[in-house]
Amino acid sequence: SQLAEENSWALSVHEGESVTVNCSYKTSITALQWYRQKSGKGPAQLILIRSNEREKRNGRLRATLDTSSQSSSLSITATRCEDTAVYFCALASSGSWQLIFGSGTQLTVMP
Amino acid sequence: AQTIHQWPVAEIKAVGSPLSLGCTIKGKSSPNLYWYWQATGGTLQQLFYSITVGQVESVVQLNLSASRPKDDQFILSTEKLLLSHSGFYLCAWSLEAGGDQDTQYFGPGTRLLVL
Repeated sequence: SQLAEENSWALSVHEGESVTVNCSYKTSITALQWYRQKSGKGPAQLILIRSNEREKRNGRLRATLDTSSQSSSLSITATRCEDTAVYFCALASSGSWQLIFGSGTQLTVMP
Repeated sequence: AQTIHQWPVAEIKAVGSPLSLGCTIKGKSSPNLYWYWQATGGTLQQLFYSITVGQVESVVQLNLSASRPKDDQFILSTEKLLLSHSGFYLCAWSLEAGGDQDTQYFGPGTRLLVL
């Protein structure tokens, strides 16, 4: 089984609505990153949240991390059509060079 | 400003043929470099990383090899392609040490189809 999994394979919302993508994981981490990948492009990092942080914001984006339940969420407010993409969580551990990506959630924002 | 360039943009190759994919980073010295593979509709799997010229570490074995001949160049290759090598290959770079410290910046990718 995967060490990191987004809880929804796909989500769709209308422009202006809010949406939350959830990620659960099964290993010890020191940080969790959220990436967004638009169709045919390489991923781009949105937020890096460390294990001693509970919440991190970046504009319309808000990430939370709960190490006791081994889960994280990424919320997007006032969604736009250009937010349409696959969203991945990625796990990082101190001393490791490896980023472990989740399975991804396809978010579609409709006009 | 730093730029990351991957070549070729896309390839169609025959099973059993050799492959060489390249990645160049401009505007940053001594970056950490990474190769990822992504199946269509799938997650990203880290294949290799390199923290200095001539030194490459393997993360997962997929009958592929990697080399870093220059500070700004990372090469992914194999002598015999398999059908399972089809997918999207992404090069990435970072400055800080370790995934819990840094952002990885991804290139545009190379799409490979093996027939």
